[in-house]
Amino acid sequence: EAQVTQNPRYLITVTGKKLTVTCSQNMNHEYMSWYRQDPGLGLRQIYYSMNVEVTDKGDVPEGYKVSRKEKRNFPLILESPSPNQTSLYFCASSLDRALGQPQHFGDGTRLSIL
Amino acid sequence: GQNIDQPTEMTATEGAIVQINCTYQTSGFNGLFWYQQHAGEAPTFLSYNVLDGLEEKGRFSSFLSRSKGYSYLLLKELQMKDSASYLCAPPGKLTFGTGTQLKVEL
Repeated sequence: EAQVTQNPRYLITVTGKKLTVTCSQNMNHEYMSWYRQDPGLGLRQIYYSMNVEVTDKGDVPEGYKVSRKEKRNFPLILESPSPNQTSLYFCASSLDRALGQPQHFGDGTRLSIL
Repeated sequence: GQNIDQPTEMTATEGAIVQINCTYQTSGFNGLFWYQQHAGEAPTFLSYNVLDGLEEKGRFSSFLSRSKGYSYLLLKELQMKDSASYLCAPPGKLTFGTGTQLKVEL
């Protein structure tokens, strides 16, 4: 089954404790991205990747890091989480951003930073 | 730029038809996506219009006019399960916006 898998689905942690949210897709997609969603603000893109070893900042990249060492994986790293990063996070992938392929989203990760 | 305007909320009755409009100010893009998102869940792809005109897919249809910067999503025979947020976005859009929250009532 074609899917985007995020882990964990839920996490409650404390300020300053490094965490990583993993994202994996099995569709051989080139384009992957991370979004956060907050009430009243919609989906905002954090980082995206056009292909292996190619990443770029989205709309709200501050406080986040990503890596794309393999085509299927695109982890989101919070080196020193803060309460304002409490949010619902989605990973997404698509065949090719330039061709306007639809994005396939993971089920989401709900992070609470205390 | 890629400013997108959609109504924030809409309410409709089960069995009715509702049209959700989307206007945008952009240049150099090809087409427009519509996604559906139920509360707390991931967005799911509904339609993609690359040419002007109406694309029909079951109870859902989507229209695009590139010259007017206008699109709409038409939902027929509304069901309670259609209560969700509907997001329009050009390809490559970095930020989706808040979308239109549709509430279907009995």
